Amino acid sequence: GDSVTQMEGPVTLSEEAFLTINCTYTATGYPSLFWYVQYPGEGLQLLLKATKADDKGSNKGFEATYRKETTSFHLEKGSVQVSDSAVYFCALSSVSWGKLQFGAGTQVVVTP
Amino acid sequence: GAGVSQSPSNKVTEKGKDVELRCDPISGHTALYWYRQRLGQGLEFLIYFQGNSAPDKSGLPSDRFSAERTGESVSTLTIQRTQQEDSAVYLCASSQASGGSSYEQYFGPGTRLTVT
Repeated sequence: GDSVTQMEGPVTLSEEAFLTINCTYTATGYPSLFWYVQYPGEGLQLLLKATKADDKGSNKGFEATYRKETTSFHLEKGSVQVSDSAVYFCALSSVSWGKLQFGAGTQVVVTP
Repeated sequence: GAGVSQSPSNKVTEKGKDVELRCDPISGHTALYWYRQRLGQGLEFLIYFQGNSAPDKSGLPSDRFSAERTGESVSTLTIQRTQQEDSAVYLCASSQASGGSSYEQYFGPGTRLTVT
């Protein structure tokens, strides 16, 4: 079945550091890929998405490229801020009606 | 308007009791999903509703779990004879349609269920 594997956390960084969170997936067909973020005390919200190979999703300085050849969707940000401290979830949807398969989540802690 | 709302925000119950969790989706959203998030784990899909179609219950972990939805409105998730392993955060999400897997799902704040 479908699955998503993402790097374990917590990931602790200093402000302005470069962030990468690895995400790889297993799925049938051509899934859509997502990154969701959960800020402390808030609900889960969509950060970015990509629906086909080589698409790049971007939002709030974050980027991720859909790599079919490596079945990956790594999340990157060039210069993190304290406000980026959150739990980040990689997810895929390979069925037409949108059921999401999530990774376990990666906690990111950014220190001043 | 308002986002997805869920109630209660927290629920503590004794093992063996029944609990009912409520979800109010965003108005006009035809698709509704329930997920479960156990501590330190990702979200697990439980059930999906789309309009008046039969729900997809393929993620429900046991027959103690059931869910209903009235039209394109409120949904309730019921857990009968709760067990300690049911302790988790239960999240509801809604989306505009299910015609494509790229539709954004909007999540509620969740109900934290603790079974003692």
